[in-house]
Amino acid sequence: DGGITQSPKYLFRKEGQNVTLSCEQNLNHDAMYWYRQDPGQGLRLIYYSQIVNDFQKGDIAEGYSVSREKKESFPLTVTSAQKNPTAFYLCASSFRHLNYGYTFGSGTRLTVV
Amino acid sequence: ELKVEQNPLFLSMQEGKNYTIYCNYSTTSDRLYWYRQDPGKSLESLFVLLSNGAVKQEGRLMASLDTKARLSTLHITAAVHDLSATYFCASGPFGNEKLTFGTGTRLTIIP
Repeated sequence: DGGITQSPKYLFRKEGQNVTLSCEQNLNHDAMYWYRQDPGQGLRLIYYSQIVNDFQKGDIAEGYSVSREKKESFPLTVTSAQKNPTAFYLCASSFRHLNYGYTFGSGTRLTVV
Repeated sequence: ELKVEQNPLFLSMQEGKNYTIYCNYSTTSDRLYWYRQDPGKSLESLFVLLSNGAVKQEGRLMASLDTKARLSTLHITAAVHDLSATYFCASGPFGNEKLTFGTGTRLTIIP
């Protein structure tokens, strides 16, 4: 079955540490996206990518980095520069035409300890 | 800049009642999407509306799109407890590379 997989489900980060969240899809989608959701809040776009080896900043890119070396994969690194990284991180993918909207992964819950 | 607003933000309703969630967006768009999120879970696609006048129904939920009014509605008929969740709308005009999400409506169905 096709789908989009995020790992890990839960992640704990120490102060000053970089951590990487994985997102893989086998839906043959062109575009991939990373969103952050804080408790009781909506979704805020971090980064997105329409094609391999290209990506654009979203509304809250500071303290985050991404890569898109393969169509299927779009990992997100939360760097030590991100001062308040505790949140629920959602990865999504779509065809470029967006006629079917997004398919979301199950999410990664990141906590700073 | 495209803005998407939902109201109400919180909705508590009794089982068996009908209600409507409203989604307004600020710029011309022929496409509107509805998602459901259960507590602690990811978002699940409910409806994709791709033209003016589009109406889609699934069970007790019905979504519609009026592009002239820049308004989409999600109507709940005879609510049941299982519909308790947060509902998000999102707009994605043609030519846009990404969707813009509303703030969400947290729906609680009371027995």
